[in-house]
Amino acid sequence: EVQLVQSGIEVKKPGESLKISCKGSGYRFATYWIGWVRQMPGTGLEWMAISKSTNSDTRYSPSFQGQVTISVDRSITTAFLQWSSLKASDSAMYYCVLAVDGTTRWDWWGQGTLVTVSS
Amino acid sequence: QSALTQPASVSGSPGQSITISCTGTSSDVGGFDSVSWYQQHPGKAPKLIIYDVSNRPSGVSNRFSGSKSDNTASLTISGLQAEDEADYYCNSYRLSSTFPYVFGTGTTVTVL
Repeated sequence: EVQLVQSGIEVKKPGESLKISCKGSGYRFATYWIGWVRQMPGTGLEWMAISKSTNSDTRYSPSFQGQVTISVDRSITTAFLQWSSLKASDSAMYYCVLAVDGTTRWDWWGQGTLVTVSS
Repeated sequence: QSALTQPASVSGSPGQSITISCTGTSSDVGGFDSVSWYQQHPGKAPKLIIYDVSNRPSGVSNRFSGSKSDNTASLTISGLQAEDEADYYCNSYRLSSTFPYVFGTGTTVTVL
């Protein structure tokens, strides 16, 4: 069974850095895409970025380009989302998602990581 | 990158059928058979219920069905049940030089 397990709740101050993780297990796909989705309180889903497992093909939604960095460590089947300087407006739930390469169906979702940024 | 347009809310009585629309452009919904739908219950992660316009993943109830006409995709829930009360989001592949996917604005389904 494919599972994506995300790191826990984070409470940070504005200006601090943060790196959250998403550990995958139970799959043997040769190639897949990992993505990150933001959901601010009471609002809808927003794509942030996606990254291909086999190479450096990473794409950022224009709204998040330069604001975050995603990476994938294939050796430990873990994806990361990081900020160098958090803002209060980064407070949200963040989901990692996975799709098999060659499909456009995002079958698997992590449980979400809640990030709160407050002084 | 503008989101696909969905109605904010749809409601129905148990046993009825409801339909949620998802309107885009010829660069996304109308241009590809790559529309998927996600169900999200409060406090939970979204769950894939329809992919490639009209296909259901294994284990998803056949009360959920999808279709597409021109630039509008639709999700129909037949035999509405209390457990269907949730938020629903469409997602489409998009022809773009920057980012290839876009979500819909989301629809809250209420079972009366």
